[in-house]
Amino acid sequence: EAGVAQSPRYKIIEKRQSVAFWCNPISGHATLYWYQQILGQGPKLLIQFQNNGVVDDSQLPKDRFSAERLKGVDSTLKIQPAKLEDSAVYLCASSLGSGWSRETQYFGPGTRLLVL
Amino acid sequence: QKEVEQNSGPLSVPEGAIASLNCTYSDRGSQSFFWYRQYSGKSPELIMFIYSNGDKEDGRFTAQLNKASQYVSLLIRDSQPSDSATYLCAVSRNNAGNMLTFGGGTRLMVKP
Repeated sequence: EAGVAQSPRYKIIEKRQSVAFWCNPISGHATLYWYQQILGQGPKLLIQFQNNGVVDDSQLPKDRFSAERLKGVDSTLKIQPAKLEDSAVYLCASSLGSGWSRETQYFGPGTRLLVL
Repeated sequence: QKEVEQNSGPLSVPEGAIASLNCTYSDRGSQSFFWYRQYSGKSPELIMFIYSNGDKEDGRFTAQLNKASQYVSLLIRDSQPSDSATYLCAVSRNNAGNMLTFGGGTRLMVKP
């Protein structure tokens, strides 16, 4: 079974530029998560999708971050414009999302973003 | 006060010893608790989850939960150098295990 796929793996941009990250969850997983992990810290949940609907985006900085999951499968996270403090690893995770069972989240390899 | 707190370490133990990793959380409404392992430069992977007070064992790993004290721990018996990693504690307010809040992680070093 293929895992969670993310691209690109690395990205270097200058501040005020835009960047987009892509995630393809495990096949059949209805729930998709985006996390931000700053060096030396634990992951912080940015947004959670159930199919193509947003379940929680309370920690997403909506003035500069946006995310979508149009067909309930792939997802894109965008930052526009980027700030220095956005330098982090952006992790995508997915789970079955049935809501009836205790679910395991499976993480992708992450995208390392460096903002100069 | 952080919602989920862990000692950042590093916690250094000799090979074959028991490693004890601790985590406290502030939200009394937390229902489910998870331990993830993260090797340097890699993504987190789930080791164990626990929902009820007491101990839960899985191979060399034992998770312990005390909701009254808002405390969860992970014991690793017969520690191996391959266990050297950062261990992340995560909690959720529901039983489905989503909407996780992670601690900062404890770095474990197992010395041969």
